[in-house]
Amino acid sequence: RKEVEQDPGPFNVPEGATVAFNCTYSNSASQSFFWYRQDCRKEPKLLMSVYSSGNEDGRFTAQLNRASQYISLLIRDSKLSDSATYLCVVRRSYSSASKIIFGSGTRLSIRP
Amino acid sequence: GAGVSQSPSNKVTEKGKDVELRCDPISGHTALYWYRQSLGQGLEFLIYFQGNSAPDKSGLPSDRFSAERTGGSVSTLTIQRTQQEDSAVYLCASSARQGVTDTQYFGPGTRLTVL
Repeated sequence: RKEVEQDPGPFNVPEGATVAFNCTYSNSASQSFFWYRQDCRKEPKLLMSVYSSGNEDGRFTAQLNRASQYISLLIRDSKLSDSATYLCVVRRSYSSASKIIFGSGTRLSIRP
Repeated sequence: GAGVSQSPSNKVTEKGKDVELRCDPISGHTALYWYRQSLGQGLEFLIYFQGNSAPDKSGLPSDRFSAERTGGSVSTLTIQRTQQEDSAVYLCASSARQGVTDTQYFGPGTRLTVL
């Protein structure tokens, strides 16, 4: 079982729809969580960090559920430009180092 | 300012040859990470550096892979005796410090094709 798991999709939704992705992680020692976005043939870029209290950035809302070990990303009023792969990222520390694990990504396609 | 840069952007090599990939992190960033991404797949962690030392090499897939970082800046990832399964995009990222909240900034990647 992978340490970070995501539904690969693809999610194909109409413009203006609300779409939600979940990501589960298996190591309870995980400390910080992020969503990255990766466009086709481009490098990943940070979309938002995920805080315990949940956080919102415009049309994007991220939430963390430590008890159930999952994080979520909600996109409201989706735009064509939201089409991308969304990567869930988990970081945990051990000894004097830390480990960063990327999920395989969820592909989102917004149709006109 | 300048972002993370990687060179070459594309590399085609023959099976069995050695290749060297270079990463120039953002100036002042102390943490540097190497990942690889096969077509249609997620990112696979390879190694990270804090300064010039590599606390975590656990992701290197075999002893054909090695990496070094000098002067706390440029890093090179070397793959010896390349195999076809090494074909992938090799991504480098840097962050200001190796802390739990620091953002990683990625370079554009090196697309490696082993024939």
